[in-house]
Amino acid sequence: AQSVAQPEDQVNVAEGNPLTVKCTYSVSGNPYLFWYVQYPNRGLQFLLKYITGDNLVKGSYGFEAEFNKSQTSFHLKKPSALVSDSALYFCAVRESGANNLFFGTGTRLTVIP
Amino acid sequence: DAGITQSPRYKITETGRQVTLMCHQTWSHSYMFWYRQDLGHGLRLIYYSAAADITDKGEVPDGYVVSRSKTENFPLTLESATRSQTSVYFCASSTGTGVSYEQYFGPGTRLTVT
Repeated sequence: AQSVAQPEDQVNVAEGNPLTVKCTYSVSGNPYLFWYVQYPNRGLQFLLKYITGDNLVKGSYGFEAEFNKSQTSFHLKKPSALVSDSALYFCAVRESGANNLFFGTGTRLTVIP
Repeated sequence: DAGITQSPRYKITETGRQVTLMCHQTWSHSYMFWYRQDLGHGLRLIYYSAAADITDKGEVPDGYVVSRSKTENFPLTLESATRSQTSVYFCASSTGTGVSYEQYFGPGTRLTVT
């Protein structure tokens, strides 16, 4: 069965500092991994995905994520955080052949001015 | 281009009442999904639909009914609402369910069952 873990409910980072939001996964077979962001009172917005190929994936708003197969991780990163990055971030995984995404519980990122 | 819309945005209802949440998308996406978002659980899939008149259960379907007579609409009905169905409900759509397809989400409906 597929599963996703986001070990940190809350991440605080100072504006201008690098940020990391952690995600680990468990699937049978090849993983297909996604990051979504949710701003207050809004739906989820797609940020980036890993399907195959280069382990470093670049996405929207300057975010990137690194796929690490040996550690079964897909951490979200950004070199320099903005206050406007403050939001709820969800990691999601899909197994090959599955019809739906399986979401983690979310990590609330707060960027402190 | 409105994309994907949900109505109502907020709803308060009483236990035992029937409630229908609406979802409409303007992209002609084949696939549509209903999720509920609860603290500590992230998003969990209730039902999904691959096309008009084709629906299937997700992770937490009990107490919910869906229909899809038109590609653009995917209503979710709570036949007899319970307090445990208090949640934020998100509709999503996708051009496919292949592994590379991302989903696009509506703004959500916050439902409170008293």
